Amino acid sequence: GAGVSQSPRYKVAKRGQDVALRCDPISGHVSLFWYQQALGQGPEFLTYFQNEAQLDKSGLPSDRFFAERPEGSVSTLKIQRTQQEDSAVYLCASSLLGRVMNTEAFFGQGTRLTVV
Amino acid sequence: GQQLNQSPQSMFIQEGEDVSMNCTSSSIFNTWLWYKQDPGEGPVLLIALYKAGELTSNGRLTAQFGITRKDSFLNISASIPSDVGIYFCAGRERNYGQNFVFGPGTRLSVLP
Repeated sequence: GAGVSQSPRYKVAKRGQDVALRCDPISGHVSLFWYQQALGQGPEFLTYFQNEAQLDKSGLPSDRFFAERPEGSVSTLKIQRTQQEDSAVYLCASSLLGRVMNTEAFFGQGTRLTVV
Repeated sequence: GQQLNQSPQSMFIQEGEDVSMNCTSSSIFNTWLWYKQDPGEGPVLLIALYKAGELTSNGRLTAQFGITRKDSFLNISASIPSDVGIYFCAGRERNYGQNFVFGPGTRLSVLP
């Protein structure tokens, strides 16, 4: 498709389960970002890839969170041993260029994770 | 860390009215973005600002990059029902790199 695609749209996990969230960026986009959006809040930065390189992971809240983009296109955000505080919408965004000004980031619809 | 504040937190207006909202930061930013988010959707970019004092329009929307570089404003003229949603500002300290900080949002409701 033409936009950023995320799957699944909704995920319910029991506390302690591992989950994997997928992001298909816009074809040809170099940069990919993951954000976490808690209910009623703005998105919070998690991590950033330029092609396959993870250049910034300063926003990952704990070592239970892991992201990869092995071939520089599709990315997976993995959360191990999920906790209730992990419940949120996880947004993926991509932009065409890397370290260049005036780049626009396009967001996917997000994956709503609920940990019960 | 960096924090953005948006005001008002929410607003109810009549269709046809003009709307103003703003965003303030504790840090100086080099880039300001304004996004709109509809329920169940990801944020959609409305306007991007890259220079202090810059005033940019996109249809009925106008945004300004504050001269102090610590604030930005978004105005919507002649509001219509589809303007309903949450408006987020986002800022970035550097001219490159992708770690944008988002504000908590302004929820806009338009009454017919």
